[in-house]
Amino acid sequence: GEDVEQSLFLSVREGDSSVINCTYTDSSSTYLYWYKQEPGAGLQLLTYIFSNMDMKQDQRLTVLLNKKDKHLSLRIADTQTGDSAIYFCAETPSLSGNTGKLIFGQGTTLQVKP
Amino acid sequence: DGGITQSPKYLFRKEGQNVTLSCEQNLNHDAMYWYRQDPGQGLRLIYYSQIVNDFQKGDIAEGYSVSREKKESFPLTVTSAQKNPTAFYLCASSWTVMNTEAFFGQGTRLTVV
Repeated sequence: GEDVEQSLFLSVREGDSSVINCTYTDSSSTYLYWYKQEPGAGLQLLTYIFSNMDMKQDQRLTVLLNKKDKHLSLRIADTQTGDSAIYFCAETPSLSGNTGKLIFGQGTTLQVKP
Repeated sequence: DGGITQSPKYLFRKEGQNVTLSCEQNLNHDAMYWYRQDPGQGLRLIYYSQIVNDFQKGDIAEGYSVSREKKESFPLTVTSAQKNPTAFYLCASSWTVMNTEAFFGQGTRLTVV
């Protein structure tokens, strides 16, 4: 089946690193994504990783993929108050065929305390 | 500037009325999507369109309808048959359905009063 799970809430202090975790069930997923949603706004694509990669780094963002455990994480270095938002993990399930469908987790609310 | 525009940002509807949410993109994308977001839940796919004059049901299509008469436009109608329409609706587009780097609009919050 297709399922993506995330913890619902994470609180960190400004300047610390944040790690947001995600697990998924479809071992044949091709792409895995991280989206950011600020209050009352749409989703912004932060980064994505292809399923044959283990790690991807983009400035303050590091994505780690453990295919064996079907675990994806997003690390934000030097977290700022502007990083406060909801973060969604999403996958392209193998059974989606040519639909472009994304399966989303419930979202993790990141609270950054000054 | 290129992007996806959803309107209106807030919409109120009386029970029993149909209402249409607008989604326009000037990115020249072939594929467009409608998702529904409820509090504490991820996004769920309502309908998608791979190309003009074509669209397919997603996971929760009941009570909704769409059209794709123009490449840049993909309006969503929430009908009176939708039992729980109050939600945040997000439109997205991508170059093709094979390219799932989707770009999202700012959303429309629909409230049934």
